[in-house]
Amino acid sequence: EIVLTQSPATLSLSPGERATLSCRASQSIGSYLAWYQHKPGQAPRLLIYDASNRATAIPARFSGSGSGTDFTLTISSLEPEDFAVYYCQQRSRWPPSLTFGPGTKVDIK
Amino acid sequence: EVQLVESGGGLVKPGGSLRLSCAASGFTFSKYSMNWVRQAPGKGLEWVSSISFSSDRYYADSVKGRFTISRDNAENSLFLQMNSLRAEDTAVYYCARARIADWDRYYFDSWGQGTLVTVSS
Repeated sequence: EIVLTQSPATLSLSPGERATLSCRASQSIGSYLAWYQHKPGQAPRLLIYDASNRATAIPARFSGSGSGTDFTLTISSLEPEDFAVYYCQQRSRWPPSLTFGPGTKVDIK
Repeated sequence: EVQLVESGGGLVKPGGSLRLSCAASGFTFSKYSMNWVRQAPGKGLEWVSSISFSSDRYYADSVKGRFTISRDNAENSLFLQMNSLRAEDTAVYYCARARIADWDRYYFDSWGQGTLVTVSS
């Protein structure tokens, strides 16, 4: 079973600052990784798929990079609406399963 | 516009059953794989179950043998039958659409607002 770890658990930043979030897989997953944003009381939102492709209508300040076991989500300049929890997600082929990382909370400093 | 609306959540006693529904609109439901993802209070997201457009089914180990996913393409609806419920099944349950059916590139591109299931005596 592939395990995802995310760091840091919490990131305290101010609007306008750059956010760098990390996701590490316990074994190589190629580029098969997604990032989601989740705010309390709202539906999660797909931000990045296949490690580096922005989903529909996602602003350019969000970018993803990495392959193999190490992945990064970067928010170039935080907007007030970006304070949320961010999850990475991947699949396992056998047994078929989908897993999320534990999440990184980006809060206002 | 893609819309997913869950219903059927509520309070149920341990050992009880509940059936969740998800009404889909704004896309050709029969062509997409669909999923349930949950979030327990204070916890992160957890995948629960998936069903392909051809009704292949997959389950997380934590619910295997207790939950059953199904779909009605004529009614554009997704279901989750939950039996033998436990306190640890307490969570908000989200219906989510898979972006494409390829398991290697299996991501959730549309989500509902969720329905709360509380298992307590």
